[in-house]
Amino acid sequence: AQSVTQLGSHVSVSEGALVLLRCNYSSSVPPYLFWYVQYPNQGLQLLLKYTSAATLVKGINGFEAEFKKSETSFHLTKPSAHMRDAAEYFCAVSDGPSQAGTALIFGKGTTLSVSS
Amino acid sequence: KAGVTQTPRYLIKTRGQQVTLSCSPISGHRSVSWYQQTPGQGLQFLFEYFSETQRNKGNFPGRFSGRQFSNSRSEMNVSTLELGDSALYLCASSLGQRQETQYFGPGTRLLVL
Repeated sequence: AQSVTQLGSHVSVSEGALVLLRCNYSSSVPPYLFWYVQYPNQGLQLLLKYTSAATLVKGINGFEAEFKKSETSFHLTKPSAHMRDAAEYFCAVSDGPSQAGTALIFGKGTTLSVSS
Repeated sequence: KAGVTQTPRYLIKTRGQQVTLSCSPISGHRSVSWYQQTPGQGLQFLFEYFSETQRNKGNFPGRFSGRQFSNSRSEMNVSTLELGDSALYLCASSLGQRQETQYFGPGTRLLVL
């Protein structure tokens, strides 16, 4: 069964600093991986996704993630943090039989704090 | 395109009651999935409906059920509410394949007293 582990439930950075949010996955099939962001009292918004087309995936708001099969990782990075990046971030892997079924298995989430 | 909408946004119920939540997917999306989000358990998959059929189910008791209508709108029902059912219930719609993006609604926050 697929699973996701996010290392670090809380990450704090200064404005302008590098953001690195860690995600490791376990999957018995080639994975489809996603990063979502959740702002307070809102639903989840997709940042980026990996669907095997390219290992370096660029997303919205300057975020990107690199798929590393040998390390079973899909870490999220942003070169320069902004105050508006403060939110909760979730890594997810798509589960389901073959191509059918679209259950997302989420990590526990990482809260990003950005200080000025 | 309009996004995923969920109604109601907030709900207060008492133990033993039942509740129905509604989700309208993005136009053209045939898959609707439901998730429960709690501080302790995080985001957990409840079930997925595709073309009016339940295609995938998470590990939740039978008190949690759902259905999908011919226009792809979906409802989720929880019977005999327990305090532990207090959560944010999120609905997501997609085209239905594993690699497709799931688009989430704002959620319904349920409080069980």
